[in-house]
Amino acid sequence: RKEVEQDPGPFNVPEGATVAFNCTYSNSASQSFFWYRQDCRKEPKLLMSVYSSGNEDGRFTAQLNRASQYISLLIRDSKLSDSATYLCVVNGVGPGGYNKLIFGAGTRLAVHP
Amino acid sequence: GAVVSQHPSWVICKSGTSVKIECRSLDFQATTMFWYRQFPKQSLMLMATSNEGSKATYEQGVEKDKFLINHASLTLSTLTVTSAHPEDSSFYICSAQKGTSFSYEQYFGPGTRLTVT
Repeated sequence: RKEVEQDPGPFNVPEGATVAFNCTYSNSASQSFFWYRQDCRKEPKLLMSVYSSGNEDGRFTAQLNRASQYISLLIRDSKLSDSATYLCVVNGVGPGGYNKLIFGAGTRLAVHP
Repeated sequence: GAVVSQHPSWVICKSGTSVKIECRSLDFQATTMFWYRQFPKQSLMLMATSNEGSKATYEQGVEKDKFLINHASLTLSTLTVTSAHPEDSSFYICSAQKGTSFSYEQYFGPGTRLTVT
């Protein structure tokens, strides 16, 4: 089982639509959760951290369910510029005991006019 | 802000040669930097964690003698791909952890696209 699993998509939605992405993680000890956005052939950029109580940033809402080890991202009023791959990321521990980030494979979103 | 640069942004080299990639944190000091590799349509895979002043910690399956990492200062880490082969062609991305961020946020460089012919 992958440490972080996401639906690869693609999600093809019209402008203005609401779209939701889901993610599950396997390590119950994970403490930090993030959504990153990656455009084609570019580096990932932090979209938002995910907090236990859920949090919102403009059109983006993130939710965390620790009991189910489940994270979600909701995008309202989709814009053409939202087209990208969305990466679910959780923290883990590397071989040397260092903290590291574990990335899901990403969910592709394509917003069309 | 937290800006991370990488150089070169792309490189083409012949099989058997070595390639060095630099990662710099421009406006902050990074005790810890990370090196990732991403193949097309796949997720980022952590290769190694680089700590200033100590040896890098490699993920399972990553050859430390092939991928040499040097974290010379709090703003510079280098990755050298030695004796590169076509299967090493990939997108290499570094990231830097700002200070000792409890939330483990990392700031990514723009990546280096390596093509080995």
